[in-house]
Amino acid sequence: EPEVTQTPSHQVTQMGQEVILRCVPISNHLYFYWYRQILGQKVEFLVSFYNNEISEKSEIFDDQFSVERPDGSNFTLKIRSTKLEDSAMYFCASTSTGGYSTDTQYFGPGTRLTVL
Amino acid sequence: RKEVEQDPGPFNVPEGATVAFNCTYSNSASQSFFWYRQDCRKEPKLLMSVYSSGNEDGRFTAQLNRASQYISLLIRDSKLSDSATYLCVVMNTGGFKTIFGAGTRLFVKA
Repeated sequence: EPEVTQTPSHQVTQMGQEVILRCVPISNHLYFYWYRQILGQKVEFLVSFYNNEISEKSEIFDDQFSVERPDGSNFTLKIRSTKLEDSAMYFCASTSTGGYSTDTQYFGPGTRLTVL
Repeated sequence: RKEVEQDPGPFNVPEGATVAFNCTYSNSASQSFFWYRQDCRKEPKLLMSVYSSGNEDGRFTAQLNRASQYISLLIRDSKLSDSATYLCVVMNTGGFKTIFGAGTRLFVKA
């Protein structure tokens, strides 16, 4: 079964450093998403991406965040200057046809980001 | 009012029990509805989509009431392997923004 992959599985960084989280969505999917989940809290939507541009973003996704699909297979989330409160699990997801009720978002296993 | 609100947990039930989870959403223009399950420190996985007419998948039954903005999930004959957090998920029109509920934790004991 095809799957979404994410690297690294765990990233430790110092406050103020830039990090790039990488995702490889399922190959024929067109819609891509990033979510975060702070330990013990709910999954929060960050951004959706379609046709090489951001479709929608949440209030969490401020100027410190950016997304890119650099080469047609990878989908990246960059955090420019990390803060302690950015420590969380970051999930990437992809889907083939958008938010229709028959569609499934496939989630990657997540990258645990720890900011020290 | 929270965008997606779920029953507070945890639910502790014996094997074989029937358990029901409720969820309400605030945006009447929401288009698509789902139940996901999440095991500890793992990614969410789709359990089932929720259709307006209600739908069933084995021991699981989902219902949607658009007028009341209410979604439910019924699990019959609970198994130990059903122990997880159940997430109510709502997508807006166009499918670009997904809102997760905080989840309801289920413990099924032998």
